[in-house]
Parts: sequence; structure tokens; C-alpha cells
Amino acid sequence: KNQVEQSPQSLIILEGKNCTLQCNYTVSPFSNLRWYKQDTGRGPVSLTIMTFSENTKSNGRYTATLDADTKQSSLHITASQLSDSASYICVVSGQAGTALIFGKGTTLSVSS
Amino acid sequence: GAVVSQHPSWVICKSGTSVKIECRSLDFQATTMFWYRQFPKQSLMLMATSNEGSKATYEQGVEKDKFLINHASLTLSTLTVTSAHPEDSSFYICSASGSSGLYNEQFFGPGTRLTVL
Repeated sequence: KNQVEQSPQSLIILEGKNCTLQCNYTVSPFSNLRWYKQDTGRGPVSLTIMTFSENTKSNGRYTATLDADTKQSSLHITASQLSDSASYICVVSGQAGTALIFGKGTTLSVSS
Repeated sequence: GAVVSQHPSWVICKSGTSVKIECRSLDFQATTMFWYRQFPKQSLMLMATSNEGSKATYEQGVEKDKFLINHASLTLSTLTVTSAHPEDSSFYICSASGSSGLYNEQFFGPGTRLTVL
């Protein structure tokens, strides 16, 4: 069964600290993996997209890694800001034309 | 990046009425549009996929006669919730995908909050 599991479910960190979110998937065949940021009451916004040949991709303070062999991905946030408080969703795409598989997300709260 | 808009951003209606939600791709032609529903603290759940000019494909468990989807042009898709009931209250999000691009990426709209009284 195609699944995407994210951990932790929620996380609270102090402003300025770093954090890492995890994503494990069992989707096969695999096309690409995406990380989205979803603010409360808003639609998801893409942070990174990686194919199986890409190990790491950065977008500002966000760095995603992918290990296609172990089917694991992580999203590292550096020097967190209050505006980073949101839900971070890992989404895996199978072969072209198939639906995206969404993780349940990690809720990040950054406090001052 | 590509922009997808939704209208309205929120709507409150009485039980038994119908509500139409619009999804527009503002700066690209969307050959495929997707409609999702999201309940509080849950992930997005795909309701249906629509291709321009074709009938929508609904996910298992989604009533096609209750959730009417029209994708009449390459920039507009509409979702009509017919005879809405309180259990239909949710956050509805659309996404749009163009015909080109390395990842065939989906661009998400800002969502529509539906509350049925």
C-alpha cells in the first residue's frame, strides 16, 4: 500500500533554532517527492521537489534531503523564524498520471 | 511561480442549499485540475480529478452527484456542493497542473472555507 508517514506529528521550537522533519514513504514506483508549507487556513505552497536522482535541494533556509534507497526524506529548517509556524507536508508522486500521496504533515510552532 | 486563485475564500450557507466554488489558473493553462477536501488537523484528501472538456474522475467514496465538477476551460474549474449539509463543512482546495514542466507540478489555490449551518 502506498503510504507517506511523517514525524514528528508536532514540534515546538524557539525562534532562531534549527529543526529537522522526517518523511518515510512506501510509494512505488517513485517519481518525485515534494515538501509543502501550509499556513493555517491557506493552500499548500511548494518548498522543494526532488526526483530519485537528487539527494539534496535547498530553498533559502529550507534544505530537503532524499535517500531513494531507504525511501526517506528530511526537511531541515535553519534559524527558524516566527513565520515558519505552519504545517509541513511531505507529498510523494508515483508514476505519471497517478495521484499524489500526502503525508499527514508536521505542525511546527516557533515561539519567541 | 504559477498562480491559482479560488473564489470565494469563505462561504456560509444554510443546510439544503447549493454552493459553487471557482478555481482559476491565472497565468498558465491548466489541462488538469484537482479538488481536495481537508478536515481540521487532517491531510488533504483528493476528491476528484478533472481534465478540460472531459468528465471528472471521482475518488472512491466521493458522490459525483453531490459534488459537481465542471472544467469548461483551460483556466477555470468549478466545484458545486449540492444540497449541502453540516457534514460537508470543510476546507476545499483546488490545484492545477499544466501540460508541460519537468515535474508536472500541481499549484494549489488558497482554499475555500465552507460552513454549512
